[in-house]
Amino acid sequence: GAVVSQHPSRVICKSGTSVKIECRSLDFQATTMFWYRQFPKQSLMLMATSNEGSKATYEQGVEKDKFLINHASLTLSTLTVTSAHPEDSSFYICSANSPDRGITEAFFGQGTRLTVV
Amino acid sequence: GNSVTQMEGPVTLSEEAFLTINCTYTATGYPSLFWYVQYPGEGLQLLLKATKADDKGSNKGFEATYRKETTSFHLEKGSVQVSDSAVYFCALRTNTGNQFYFGTGTSLTVIP
Repeated sequence: GAVVSQHPSRVICKSGTSVKIECRSLDFQATTMFWYRQFPKQSLMLMATSNEGSKATYEQGVEKDKFLINHASLTLSTLTVTSAHPEDSSFYICSANSPDRGITEAFFGQGTRLTVV
Repeated sequence: GNSVTQMEGPVTLSEEAFLTINCTYTATGYPSLFWYVQYPGEGLQLLLKATKADDKGSNKGFEATYRKETTSFHLEKGSVQVSDSAVYFCALRTNTGNQFYFGTGTSLTVIP
């Protein structure tokens, strides 16, 4: 299957700082990328969907000014958690597909464990 | 609307036991169906998929059949191994709108 790489895998930051998480599709051009948040022993919560070159579509309840998503190229999307607080600590996962190119299944990154102290 | 319901866990089985994880869905149109597996501390990996009614997806001894009449996509494996211990997610993708819907996940533990 296709490969999606997420970086970093773990990050610890101080409260009030910003953190950027990268999601790269390594062997295909991803027209759509999805960002999820996962709490311990819980399912995935979709935060936003981004299409290359367009503004991300955020799910209800997700603050777009706090969780900045950029999808500037067909191989890279970034999620920036601005002014992070301890309650933002979580496991963040990206996925990507390209349905207009026949890649309908979503391929996931390895996830990023964010800890805000 | 669209949704996925899968059996709640956790599920604990002995090695070589038969596994079934139930998954049913509600969808408008004709979705594609998937099973993903998540190992601790990692992202999700695609396990198998089916894109139309009566398709059977299979991989690594796991299989699931897309049953439109019962709106189900149950995951089965004839003989589980300790290495199959993970969380399994059933998911659907709408064919219009490219939206994914995930079940709540079922934790499987296989004991020697």
